[in-house]
Amino acid sequence: GAVVSQHPSWVICKSGTSVKIECRSLDFQATTMFWYRQFPKQSLMLMATSNEGSKATYEQGVEKDKFLINHASLTLSTLTVTSAHPEDSSFYICSAIAGRWANTEAFFGQGTRLTVV
Amino acid sequence: SQQGEEDPQALSIQEGENATMNCSYKTSINNLQWYRQNSGRGLVHLILIRSNEREKHSGRLRVTLDTSKKSSSLLITASRAADTASYFCATDLRSNDYKLSFGAGTTVTVRA
Repeated sequence: GAVVSQHPSWVICKSGTSVKIECRSLDFQATTMFWYRQFPKQSLMLMATSNEGSKATYEQGVEKDKFLINHASLTLSTLTVTSAHPEDSSFYICSAIAGRWANTEAFFGQGTRLTVV
Repeated sequence: SQQGEEDPQALSIQEGENATMNCSYKTSINNLQWYRQNSGRGLVHLILIRSNEREKHSGRLRVTLDTSKKSSSLLITASRAADTASYFCATDLRSNDYKLSFGAGTTVTVRA
């Protein structure tokens, strides 16, 4: 299947700093990429949807200025957690789809464990 | 918001046994997908079943879909220790936008 690479796999940062997470589709062009957040032993919560070259669509309750998403090309989307605080510590996962929306499977990155100290 | 509810939350079985987990959802869907997540990792797509399909097989996996009951089941036959993981159902809602809504997941432990 198609490969989505997410980097870094884990990061520890100080409170108040910003962290950038990259999501790359390695062998396909991702028309749309998604960013999720997952708390321990819980499900994935969609944060935002991004299409190449346009602004991301954020889910209700997700702060746009806090979680900056850039989808500069068909193979790269980035999530920047700005002014991170301990409550932002979580597991962040990206996914991407290649084709038309209907009946398309999503390909997931391996996730990024963010710890804010 | 989450649409899927999964049952059971956790399942522990002996290697070689079958594992069955269920997923219920609330609104009409384009398709339903099952994913596996190993601890601390990303998700791996297992199988997609369309709304007009009732059953689908892939290797040791069997998925059923009952749109009248808004429910799906995933059966893993002849389980192996490597099947230990969390399993999530995800529904692709009928709308103009592609959006997967994930269930809470079932944690499966296969004992050797």
